[in-house]
Amino acid sequence: QVQLVESGGGVVQPGRSLRLSCAASGFIFENYAMYWVRQAPGKGLEWVAVISYDGVTEDYGDSVKGRFTISRDNAKNTLYLQMTSLRTEDTAIYYCVRNRIRGMISLCFDPWGQGTQVTVSS
Amino acid sequence: FMLTQPHSVSESPGKTVTLSCTRSSGAIDSKFVHWYQQRPGSAPTLLISEDKHRPSGVPDRFSASIDTSSNSASLTISDLETEDEADYFCQSYDGKDHVVFGGGTKLTVL
Repeated sequence: QVQLVESGGGVVQPGRSLRLSCAASGFIFENYAMYWVRQAPGKGLEWVAVISYDGVTEDYGDSVKGRFTISRDNAKNTLYLQMTSLRTEDTAIYYCVRNRIRGMISLCFDPWGQGTQVTVSS
Repeated sequence: FMLTQPHSVSESPGKTVTLSCTRSSGAIDSKFVHWYQQRPGSAPTLLISEDKHRPSGVPDRFSASIDTSSNSASLTISDLETEDEADYFCQSYDGKDHVVFGGGTKLTVL
């Protein structure tokens, strides 16, 4: 079955960097666009970034644009999120999510990983 | 644009509840609306895709629709069960393919 396992979360000071990883299995990773979506404590969902199946196209939410970079290694079936200049408001659970369908970016999220907690605090 | 959902809704087991999701600007039917369920302590799961389609494994007690007159989407859950107690989020996107989530509705079944 499809599995998405995030790692790399933790506690980091404001202004520092962190890289999240997502190991994918159970499907042909290189055929699917992928996303990061986050959820601050007790809050709703916020789309962070998307990357096309081939890594050519990327896009970001306004709150992270210029600070976060999404990337993927199709040979390793792994998705990444490089986060720099972290702020306290970046504190959230970060979910790795697959595009529902193969090929084109459909902006429909299915399935979701279990998430990794990122806490930005001094 | 924003997607506005009621903060919380309560209903009894066996009853039917409808959750709304109102788009603030732009036509609700201009882009697909998707719905997600998030049970306490768990990651979200896709409940409804492309306005009204149930992925395999989702019970037919869950249905959704679009109402252009109110510029809103609705999720209806019939024959409520205690396991339906969860947060429900609607989601769509704009012309630049930027994703927007509703704030979520906390459904209490008691």
